[in-house]
Amino acid sequence: QKEVEQDPGPLSVPEGAIVSLNCTYSNSAFQYFMWYRQYSRKGPELLMYTYSSGNKEDGRFTAQVDKSSKYISLFIRDSQPSDSATYLCALSGASSASKIIFGSGTRLSIRP
Amino acid sequence: EAGVAQSPRYKIIEKRQSVAFWCNPISGHATLYWYQQILGQGPKLLIQFQNNGVVDDSQLPKDRFSAERLKGVDSTLKIQPAKLEDSAVYLCASGGLSRVGETQYFGPGTRLLVL
Repeated sequence: QKEVEQDPGPLSVPEGAIVSLNCTYSNSAFQYFMWYRQYSRKGPELLMYTYSSGNKEDGRFTAQVDKSSKYISLFIRDSQPSDSATYLCALSGASSASKIIFGSGTRLSIRP
Repeated sequence: EAGVAQSPRYKIIEKRQSVAFWCNPISGHATLYWYQQILGQGPKLLIQFQNNGVVDDSQLPKDRFSAERLKGVDSTLKIQPAKLEDSAVYLCASGGLSRVGETQYFGPGTRLLVL
């Protein structure tokens, strides 16, 4: 079983729709939960991070962590064509020596 | 603030040849990472430096891959000899001393194709 599972998509939605992206994980030691956005031929850029369970909101983006279900989500409201990219979840442990484990990424396309 | 610089952006080589990639991190960042991203997968950590010391190289195939970070600034990643399965994007990232994800910044990557 992979440590982090993420549906690769592609996911195509019309402009203005609410997008839901998800990851599941198996290791209960993960404490930091991150979402990266990666445009084609670019490096990943950090969008959101949360520590432990709960929600975090930043503009049109909301990150949710449910540690009891080992399930994390990223919601995008009022999606724009510029949101078209690959979204990677990433998790790490609490220790400063912990590696960041990335999901395989979900390819998202927003149709104008 | 200048971002993480990497070169070359693209490289095509034949199997069994050698190749080197260069990374210049954001000024003042102590931590430097090299990741391998195979098409359709997330980045996989190859090696992590703290200043010029190695923190983690557990996933670096040491029989063919080597990396160094002289003077705690620039870094090079070398593959010798290359195999077909090394075709991937090699990403460099740098981060501040706090380690957590919000301080890790990625470069544009070097796209390697091994024929």
